[in-house]
Amino acid sequence: AQTVTQSQPEMSVQEAETVTLSCTYDTSESDYYLFWYKQPPSRQMILVIRQEAYKQQNATENRFSVNFQKAAKSFSLKISDSQLGDAAMYFCAYRLSNFGNEKLTFGTGTRLTIIP
Amino acid sequence: GAGVSQSPRYKVTKRGQDVALRCDPISGHVSLYWYRQALGQGPEFLTYFNYEAQQDKSGLPNDRFSAERPEGSISTLTIQRTEQRDSAMYRCASSLGLTVDWAGGGLLETQYFGPGTRLLVL
Repeated sequence: AQTVTQSQPEMSVQEAETVTLSCTYDTSESDYYLFWYKQPPSRQMILVIRQEAYKQQNATENRFSVNFQKAAKSFSLKISDSQLGDAAMYFCAYRLSNFGNEKLTFGTGTRLTIIP
Repeated sequence: GAGVSQSPRYKVTKRGQDVALRCDPISGHVSLYWYRQALGQGPEFLTYFNYEAQQDKSGLPNDRFSAERPEGSISTLTIQRTEQRDSAMYRCASSLGLTVDWAGGGLLETQYFGPGTRLLVL
């Protein structure tokens, strides 16, 4: 079974600084997707960024980027120029790529606090 | 539609009562997923549908939980004889399912989540 581990229950960063959230996963599969979702105090689940395992290039979305290390089964999220609106729970998630096996497996989350 | 909608947003019920939670996916999304999220935890998969067919219900905790999507659009998650341990946030997500990417290969589309239904069983 696939598992996702987020070893940092809480992180904090000064506004405008950079922070990196860690995620590791365990799988015997070679083809899969990885995601970071953000859950602000409103408890919505918002997609931040997505990475296909077959792509060597790390995904980026504006201030958000990932460091995907397939051999190490590591998928960290870097937030640059942190803003107050980035304060939220961040969940790392994994999914197999084959049709018919589409469930997301989530980690336990990292609570990010932005210090003004 | 604008996004995934769920109703009710909050539900308080007494132990032993049945509850029905509704999910209205984004228009055109063929795949629909149900997750449950306990406080302080990540969402856990319950079941999912492609069109009206229930493809995987391995995450349903027991036979008190059931889900349907009879016309391939709106879905209902039903919990019978509720227990206090059923209290959680129930989330629905939808996606376009499998599409074809620019290289002609299959691409599983991203799941977009609704606001959730917070269920409290007294």
